[in-house]
Amino acid sequence: QSALTQPASVSGSPGQSITISCTGTSSDVGSYNLVSWYQHHPGKAPKLMIYEVSKRPSGVSSRFSGSKSGNTASLTISGLQAEDEADYYCCLYAGSSTLVFGGGTKLTVL
Amino acid sequence: QVQLVQSGAEVKKPGSSVKVSCKASGGTFSSNGISWVRQAPGQGLEWMGGIIPIFDTPNYAQKFQGRVSITTDESSSTVYVELNSLRSEDSAVYYCARGNIVVVPSGDPFFAAFDVWGQGTMVTVSS
Repeated sequence: QSALTQPASVSGSPGQSITISCTGTSSDVGSYNLVSWYQHHPGKAPKLMIYEVSKRPSGVSSRFSGSKSGNTASLTISGLQAEDEADYYCCLYAGSSTLVFGGGTKLTVL
Repeated sequence: QVQLVQSGAEVKKPGSSVKVSCKASGGTFSSNGISWVRQAPGQGLEWMGGIIPIFDTPNYAQKFQGRVSITTDESSSTVYVELNSLRSEDSAVYYCARGNIVVVPSGDPFFAAFDVWGQGTMVTVSS
């Protein structure tokens, strides 16, 4: 089963922009555009922020954007706000009817 | 807007089984799919498997093959996950999530993303 690598933690000050990477291989990230990102506050259910690499669900702030280059997908949050502090997970279709989550990134707003 | 309501917390002995339910209210998920995702203490999210009711064929993560079963009761808009041969490492919060379905390159339908989540069910495995 494939493994997706995310940085364990990132941080930024209010108003700044940060990017969280999700690195896989040419067999998963590089092959499919089914990358989604989830925001997870402890004790709450995860929330979908981005799907199909760069699409934003209704109701999600335009400060959140997604992209992909080669074997790496990225989530960018601009204009950081205190409420953005959470864990973020990438998730993607890895072939053979399997989904994989990245290890998660803890975002700290300083 | 559909909501997913899960059954309550469970405490189980090692070696036993647990069955968690996920009921759709305010709508159905028959045209979507439902997956189960868990989070062990201090760990990340982990996809266990899912089912697309109109196809009624579940898919399971390799790690859980042979130990997990995902079933549906469309008459009550409920999906179940049953995990057998429980061990302490199975202690986790279990979430159900509604998946939007796309056709993947193989031609099969599969989950693109999860837009509605249940509230989570804590399962504790302890002797």
